[in-house]
Amino acid sequence: QKEVEQDPGPLSVPEGAIVSLNCTYSNSAFQYFMWYRQYSRKGPELLMYTYSSGNKEDGRFTAQVDKSSKYISLFIRDSQPSDSATYLCASSTSGTYKYIFGTGTRLKVLA
Amino acid sequence: KAGVTQTPRYLIKTRGQQVTLSCSPISGHRSVSWYQQTPGQGLQFLFEYFSETQRNKGNFPGRFSGRQFSNSRSEMNVSTLELGDSALYLCASSPGDRTYEQYFGPGTRLTVT
Repeated sequence: QKEVEQDPGPLSVPEGAIVSLNCTYSNSAFQYFMWYRQYSRKGPELLMYTYSSGNKEDGRFTAQVDKSSKYISLFIRDSQPSDSATYLCASSTSGTYKYIFGTGTRLKVLA
Repeated sequence: KAGVTQTPRYLIKTRGQQVTLSCSPISGHRSVSWYQQTPGQGLQFLFEYFSETQRNKGNFPGRFSGRQFSNSRSEMNVSTLELGDSALYLCASSPGDRTYEQYFGPGTRLTVT
């Protein structure tokens, strides 16, 4: 079992929809949770990071961590065709400097 | 501020050869991490360096090695290349005290024939 699991998709939604992207993890020691966006033929781009449980909002993006269920979510409001990309979640334990990534979910936002 | 740069961007090598990839982090960043990305396995952690010291490494064979220089630039080396080493190799830099903020370069696409 991988430490961080992510549905590969693809997930197709119409423009303007609210998108929910999810990951589960197995290591209860994980404390840092990150979301990256990766366009084709580019390196991943950091979107948001959270520490421990709770929500964090940045513009149209909201990251949510539920440590009790080991569930990580990213919500995208008012999705745009430019949001079409692969979204990667990642987790880490404090002080290990080692980051475990999910395999990514492909998102397509249809105009 | 200039982003993370990686050279070369594309590389074709033959089985059994060795290869060295280079990464220049964002100015002021002292932590550099390396990852291998393949369609089947996704992004897999290779190793992380801070101030020329390897602080952690992933589950890769000893053929994969790296180093960091005093100016924070980093190199990774793969010896005795195998077909399965074909992948996108990504480097990420971080401020030393906030390694969860990782900024990735564009990657080096390595093809082993």
